[in-house]
Amino acid sequence: DAEITQSPRHKITETGRQVTLACHQTWNHNNMFWYRQDLGHGLRLIHYSYGVHDTNKGEVSDGYSVSRSNTEDLPLTLESAASSQTSVYFCASGQSYEQYFGPGTRLTVT
Amino acid sequence: RKEVEQDPGPFNVPEGATVAFNCTYSNSASQSFFWYRQDCRKEPKLLMSVYSSGNEDGRFTAQLNRASQYISLLIRDSKLSDSATYLCAVYQAGTALIFGKGTTLSVSS
Repeated sequence: DAEITQSPRHKITETGRQVTLACHQTWNHNNMFWYRQDLGHGLRLIHYSYGVHDTNKGEVSDGYSVSRSNTEDLPLTLESAASSQTSVYFCASGQSYEQYFGPGTRLTVT
Repeated sequence: RKEVEQDPGPFNVPEGATVAFNCTYSNSASQSFFWYRQDCRKEPKLLMSVYSSGNEDGRFTAQLNRASQYISLLIRDSKLSDSATYLCAVYQAGTALIFGKGTTLSVSS
């Protein structure tokens, strides 16, 4: 069955380290998205892509980057992890307006 | 004003009750609307798309009021398994889905 996966599911890292969170979907969706979810803030859009080599900044993109080299993957990189980036990260994909979410990555920056 | 606003609740209702959630959005150019369900520490799952004519899926009814810029979700005959957080989402052209912070529903026996 087609699906969307994220790895790792849990990650603990230290301040200042570079971290990459993986997102892989097998639906062949053109659109992919990264959100973070924090108590009191809900889901906030970090970056999104409407196709290969297309990337766009969302509401909270500072400190994050993405690249889209194929349809299936949109990795999210934290250039220099900060404690404020401790959060749950959700990747999503979709072909039109609807989005389908991966299981999430819980990231702790110490 | 936040782009998408929801009453956070919690809404505490007994089994069998009818409960309704509203969600307001600020951008009148918004094009598509959705309700998602999120269980604790899990990913959001698409519950319903919201069409201008209103749509129903079993015990769930979603409606859109463009003039007043809100969408609603009605749950009839609430079940214990309906306990969750309900997120509304609004698509804005050129971006992506923008989510409300969610409304928490707790159904008790």
